[in-house]
Amino acid sequence: LAKTTQPISMDSYEGQEVNITCSHNNIATNDYITWYQQFPSQGPRFIIQGYKTKVTNEVASLFIPADRKSSTLSLPRVSLSDTAVYYCLVGGYTGFQKLVFGTGTRLLVSP
Amino acid sequence: NAGVTQTPKFQVLKTGQSMTLQCAQDMNHNSMYWYRQDPGMGLRLIYYSASEGTTDKGEVPNGYNVSRLNKREFSLRLESAAPSQTSVYFCASVRANTGELFFGEGSRLTVL
Repeated sequence: LAKTTQPISMDSYEGQEVNITCSHNNIATNDYITWYQQFPSQGPRFIIQGYKTKVTNEVASLFIPADRKSSTLSLPRVSLSDTAVYYCLVGGYTGFQKLVFGTGTRLLVSP
Repeated sequence: NAGVTQTPKFQVLKTGQSMTLQCAQDMNHNSMYWYRQDPGMGLRLIYYSASEGTTDKGEVPNGYNVSRLNKREFSLRLESAAPSQTSVYFCASVRANTGELFFGEGSRLTVL
């Protein structure tokens, strides 16, 4: 079961790029890395997922080095609405396993 | 397509009372999960069900029981509620071919 470590909190300003790093030293060969965003009083929602190298979608990029022991979520040009808690989750594709969240990173975006 | 539906959304209990939180998903997912989230904290896994007919303990199973009634439904029961169980409870299911979790809106439980 891969344990994840993230910074507790980060601060940014509107229009800046934000990079949040997650450490997962004991990631297994068949584990994927998935990032979720959670707003107050809501359940987390999927942002992006990757296995290795770089993945990009319309809202974020995910960078994974060759050893896969860490990953970095990159949010380009953040806005106030990106203020949320961000979680990285490491687990297999099948879902047939415990999916345990880490502490998450509380991102605060200011004007 | 409703996704993951949880009931009730809010509940107040007295210490020692029992109740069941209901969860249903209409996405034909095999695996389902129950998490709790205390104020200002992260999500902690209570129980999960990898497939219909199976359940397993998560990080914080004490004081809870679960039932995987069928592929769609996964319920969480508190037999004797305690103030320490005051929390928001989230149910989730997993899309098998991507591992993506889909969450319900949460059930806010207060135990007095």
